[in-house]
Amino acid sequence: GAGVSQSPSNKVTEKGKDVELRCDPISGHTALYWYRQSLGQGLEFLIYFQGNSAPDKSGLPSDRFSAERTGGSVSTLTIQRTQQEDSAVYLCASSLGSGPYEQYFGPGTRLTVT
Amino acid sequence: GQQVMQIPQYQHVQEGEDFTTYCNSSTTLSNIQWYKQRPGGHPVFLIQLVKSGEVKKQKRLTFQFGEAKKNSSLHITATQTTDVGTYFCAGPYENTGNQFYFGTGTSLTVIP
Repeated sequence: GAGVSQSPSNKVTEKGKDVELRCDPISGHTALYWYRQSLGQGLEFLIYFQGNSAPDKSGLPSDRFSAERTGGSVSTLTIQRTQQEDSAVYLCASSLGSGPYEQYFGPGTRLTVT
Repeated sequence: GQQVMQIPQYQHVQEGEDFTTYCNSSTTLSNIQWYKQRPGGHPVFLIQLVKSGEVKKQKRLTFQFGEAKKNSSLHITATQTTDVGTYFCAGPYENTGNQFYFGTGTSLTVIP
């Protein structure tokens, strides 16, 4: 079956503009994570969705970042008024549920803020 | 700042040599997972350890979870060029929700 997909694969935007990043998880996976990975760095947790529960937003770095997940499937990460320090690869992962399940990662969206 | 540290940050080995990366958390982890990320790729799940003191093997790879569930290690025997990549440990802290903390990663280069 299809894996996790993300779009766009690359996004170049001007500082101050808003961007939307999309994630399509594996069908049937109830848990969805967003991470940010700066060049040569580890993964920084941003937000977690599990089923219809309220998301865990504790990793969002500022109120310019928000995310939603519609119908328990597709998720959109929105960054408002982008800054140069937002430049990174944004990775989405899904898993069967909360707890000790492996995460399947998408290919990521490379965001460049000029 | 980072609360799950891995050492070394970089490791260059000759093909056929062994390799070990160590993962240390400041807080007890519920479980630990290991991922491999090839250059330009995304993380791919390798294994999960749940029990204190657990040891698992996958062919040339041996994974350990410490007794206190604060540290872990990945050992590769007789490295091959296909082992090149960055290895990350990751896991949620006990009783603290759903945040998944990834380690700082160890980048492995295998010299043929």
